[in-house]
Amino acid sequence: GQNIDQPTEMTATEGAIVQINCTYQTSGFNGLFWYQQHAGEAPTFLSYNVLDGLEEKGRFSSFLSRSKGYSYLLLKELQMKDSASYLCAVMDSNYQLIWGAGTKLIIKP
Amino acid sequence: EPEVTQTPSHQVTQMGQEVILRCVPISNHLYFYWYRQILGQKVEFLVSFYNNEISEKSEIFDDQFSVERPDGSNFTLKIRSTKLEDSAMYFCASRGDRLNTEAFFGQGTRLTVV
Repeated sequence: GQNIDQPTEMTATEGAIVQINCTYQTSGFNGLFWYQQHAGEAPTFLSYNVLDGLEEKGRFSSFLSRSKGYSYLLLKELQMKDSASYLCAVMDSNYQLIWGAGTKLIIKP
Repeated sequence: EPEVTQTPSHQVTQMGQEVILRCVPISNHLYFYWYRQILGQKVEFLVSFYNNEISEKSEIFDDQFSVERPDGSNFTLKIRSTKLEDSAMYFCASRGDRLNTEAFFGQGTRLTVV
């Protein structure tokens, strides 16, 4: 079966760095996405990785290792507005997005 | 910036009634999707639509559900004979092509079945 695992909840301090991990087992692989979702709102696109390595975009970076079925999202200089759920999603061989359950990130002052 | 729009933002319906959720994808996009998210749970894929037909559907998308693209702009999800467990946020998304990296999501319709 297809499975995506990420921690349910994480807590971090404003100004700090946090790493949210995601492991996956899917039928084929056409890329891994990270989305941010605030409560009651739609997911918004953060990053896309299809090759191994690190993609940096401002305060957010995403890493992928296809051989390990592993990715992480790194958030630097955390701000209160970063409090949200972070969703890992993998595009499988049928080009469908398989979603993880999301990691709720709580930022404390 | 182009966006996906969904209406209504909130729909309350009685159990057993039919509802139609509406979406206007980005105009030059070719792939359209419906997702569901029950409160506090993960986003679940319902159906994908391409070239005026369903290209993929999940186990959730049974005979109770149907999709349609009645004209060149709207993309609708119909839920017949709603059940309490259909209460969820329903998100529409569109993508320019199969491999385009970003799926653009609408703001969702919160469906409450009472």
